[in-house]
Amino acid sequence: QLQLQESGPGLVKPSETLSLTCTVSGGSISSANYFWGWIRQPPGKGLEWVGSMYYRGNTYYSPSLKSRVSISVDTSKNQFSLKLSSVTATDTAVYHCARIVDFWSSHSDYWGPGTLVTVSS
Amino acid sequence: DIQMTQSPSSLSASLGDKITITCRASQGISNYLSWYQYKPGKSPKLLIFAASSVQSGVPSRVSGSGSGTDFTLTISSLQPEDFATYYCQQTYSTPPTFGQGTKVEIK
Repeated sequence: QLQLQESGPGLVKPSETLSLTCTVSGGSISSANYFWGWIRQPPGKGLEWVGSMYYRGNTYYSPSLKSRVSISVDTSKNQFSLKLSSVTATDTAVYHCARIVDFWSSHSDYWGPGTLVTVSS
Repeated sequence: DIQMTQSPSSLSASLGDKITITCRASQGISNYLSWYQYKPGKSPKLLIFAASSVQSGVPSRVSGSGSGTDFTLTISSLQPEDFATYYCQQTYSTPPTFGQGTKVEIK
């Protein structure tokens, strides 16, 4: 059974960089036909797609976050990571990592439980 | 971005009830529509993809339909584990966007 687990600091100061890692177990991040992505949910709001990547390094980002976001992969550790720079309070959210099926903006069949990141001084 | 509008935003129902949640896209998205079940602190669960394809392991009481701009998620007989928030997602154009969610509560 594939499992994903997010990890990283739960508190980030304004203007700093948010960094999260997703560890994949029960399957390989290098599998063909799957992409890996990040989706977030601010408190009291809906879900927002952040971006996704393929294990070979191809990346795809939400236009609204593109200037601040970076997603990378470490195939040797079966992990992928999210970096979001110059954060503000509006970046406070539960961040989920997920496996995406077939193409980079498709549906997600496995998700992590999410980790709350609060942006505050 | 394509806007997804769900209705109702919340509903109260009893065990055994049939419920229907609607999702409307601001423009045609063919059948590029997925449904998810979301419970706080748990991994979201994919229920339906391609508007009407049921994800493996999802109970047969869950079904989806629709094409173009109007879609529905139906649960034919509510069970205790079905009380949650449900989101639709369009994957027709980028970025993928979600509806605002429908919270299903116990009456």
